[in-house]
Amino acid sequence: EAGVAQSPRYKIIEKRQSVAFWCNPISGHATLYWYQQILGQGPKLLIQFQNNGVVDDSQLPKDRFSAERLKGVDSTLKIQPAKLEDSAVYLCASSFFGSRDREAFFGQGTRLTVV
Amino acid sequence: QKEVEQDPGPLSVPEGAIVSLNCTYSNSAFQYFMWYRQYSRKGPELLMYTYSSGNKEDGRFTAQVDKSSKYISLFIRDSQPSDSATYLCAMSAEGGSYIPTFGRGTSLIVHP
Repeated sequence: EAGVAQSPRYKIIEKRQSVAFWCNPISGHATLYWYQQILGQGPKLLIQFQNNGVVDDSQLPKDRFSAERLKGVDSTLKIQPAKLEDSAVYLCASSFFGSRDREAFFGQGTRLTVV
Repeated sequence: QKEVEQDPGPLSVPEGAIVSLNCTYSNSAFQYFMWYRQYSRKGPELLMYTYSSGNKEDGRFTAQVDKSSKYISLFIRDSQPSDSATYLCAMSAEGGSYIPTFGRGTSLIVHP
């Protein structure tokens, strides 16, 4: 079974620039998550999709972050303009939806450095 | 107070030792308790998953949940150098959507 694919693996940008990350979830997984993991901290949920609808985006800084999941499969997370504090690993995860199976599979992440 | 507290370590043990990793939490609505392992520059991978209180064993790993104390543990028996990683606890409440809250992770180093 193919895992969650993310690209790019690494990105270095200057502050105030824009950046986009891409995620392809595991086939058949209706639920997709974007997490931000700052060095030394646990992952923090930014946004959760169920198919192509947003379930939770309460911790997404909407003035600069946006995300979409077209056709309920791939997803893109964008930051515009980036700030120094956005330096982190951005993790995408996917799972089946339902009370029985709550296992989320994570991709390797995109490591963003804002200078 | 954070919802989930976890000592970041590092915890350094010799090969073969029994390792105990712990988390405390404040939200009594949490019913699902997970432990993830994260190797350097990799995404987290699920190790153990427990619903409500009790113990669960899988090979060298045992997860314990004490809801009365709001305390969860992960024990690793016969630890190996390959167990060296960051261990993240995560928890979520009952309900249709799965939104886990993660601890900050404990860095474990098992030296030969």
